[in-house]
Amino acid sequence: DSGVTQTPKHLITATGQRVTLRCSPRSGDLSVYWYQQSLDQGLQFLIQYYNGEERAKGNILERFSAQQFPDLHSELNLSSLELGDSALYFCASSEGQYGHEQFFGPGTRLTVL
Amino acid sequence: GQQLNQSPQSMFIQEGEDVSMNCTSSSIFNTWLWYKQDPGEGPVLLIALYKAGELTSNGRLTAQFGITRKDSFLNISASIPSDVGIYFCAVQGAQKLVFGQGTRLTINP
Repeated sequence: DSGVTQTPKHLITATGQRVTLRCSPRSGDLSVYWYQQSLDQGLQFLIQYYNGEERAKGNILERFSAQQFPDLHSELNLSSLELGDSALYFCASSEGQYGHEQFFGPGTRLTVL
Repeated sequence: GQQLNQSPQSMFIQEGEDVSMNCTSSSIFNTWLWYKQDPGEGPVLLIALYKAGELTSNGRLTAQFGITRKDSFLNISASIPSDVGIYFCAVQGAQKLVFGQGTRLTINP
């Protein structure tokens, strides 16, 4: 158990819909990272928040957004969903803002029908 | 963009065999990491390497940070069934981790 929690574990929705994925980092970690992993693909970095502020951005679509709340949990919002958005979405956390050692949650499997 | 070449893409071995996989880059990196992902789970950090030439062990796992800082390898000795999974190398890029495409390890009992 990494100490990072993600909900829900599974999500099935239709094209055009909007969903919110939630992540709680390990106790004491200030950074939260979001990754997308498509079938048989590597991990694609989406975005990082550190202590409530956006710190780094990767290959995140404009239809996607995220935020980190004062209690340090984070939400990833995916809107106008397309079939190609079906993937595993992982949250990771690290203590500092330059997280060499990131600890991953169990992921949310999103299926868009 | 930054890219890691991880090989082999997949391995099929017998239980008890040793395993070796590697990761190369065209750029220099100061931190190399190895993660393992079990089916349906998130990646778990196995070994972190911070110094060129560094050789680090974690049980049956041994990883080395290449002297050129452009490569790393991971060895698993005497493989067991629970070693099955996908192994990813990763480097600390500009404000983010960059992951390799993974090596899928399958073990025949």
